[in-house]
Amino acid sequence: GQSLEQPSEVTAVEGAIVQINCTYQTSGFYGLSWYQQHDGGAPTFLSYNALDGLEETGRFSSFLSRSDSYGYLLLQELQMKDSASYFCAYGGENDYKLSFGAGTTVTVRA
Amino acid sequence: DAGVTQSPTHLIKTRGQQVTLRCSPKSGHDTVSWYQQALGQGPQFIFQYYEEEERQRGNFPDRFSGHQFPNYSSELNVNALLLGDSALYLCASSPKRTDPSTDTQYFGPGTRLTVL
Repeated sequence: GQSLEQPSEVTAVEGAIVQINCTYQTSGFYGLSWYQQHDGGAPTFLSYNALDGLEETGRFSSFLSRSDSYGYLLLQELQMKDSASYFCAYGGENDYKLSFGAGTTVTVRA
Repeated sequence: DAGVTQSPTHLIKTRGQQVTLRCSPKSGHDTVSWYQQALGQGPQFIFQYYEEEERQRGNFPDRFSGHQFPNYSSELNVNALLLGDSALYLCASSPKRTDPSTDTQYFGPGTRLTVL
């Protein structure tokens, strides 16, 4: 089977750091993606890890450990506009679809 | 450069009716995928179209069907609507998957379907 698990909610204050963990189970795996979705909006691509290690894109970083079937998204210097849902997703071997987790709702407080 | 566009933005139907949703992919993209997103859930893959053919299908009944046109735009049709079909329907486009190490998909704003 295929599945991804991530926490349902995280709350933090402006300027803080938040880490969203994602564990996955799949028989085939290309890499782990992260998408952001504001309420009622389109999911937008944030980051992709094909290899183990850390990828940094501005205030956001993503990490992957294939041996642990685990990844995380790190949001630094949180801003109010970062309040959104964040989804981890993967594409599998011989598989054209993206499989998404249920999403983590991040709420940033002043 | 226009992104992915979808129409309509909102739609209200009653049980048993049929609905058609439309999607135009991002310029330069030839592959279109459709996803269903229930409230509070992640998007669930319905199917993907490439070269006017359904290339892969998710775990959805035959009531869900689609089409891709020569200009790469696509339609999603749902017949015999059920209350449980109420969801946000997202279209995503991507370039031909020649490099499977890149999984970026570009999503449209979605069509919010309500079935009463």
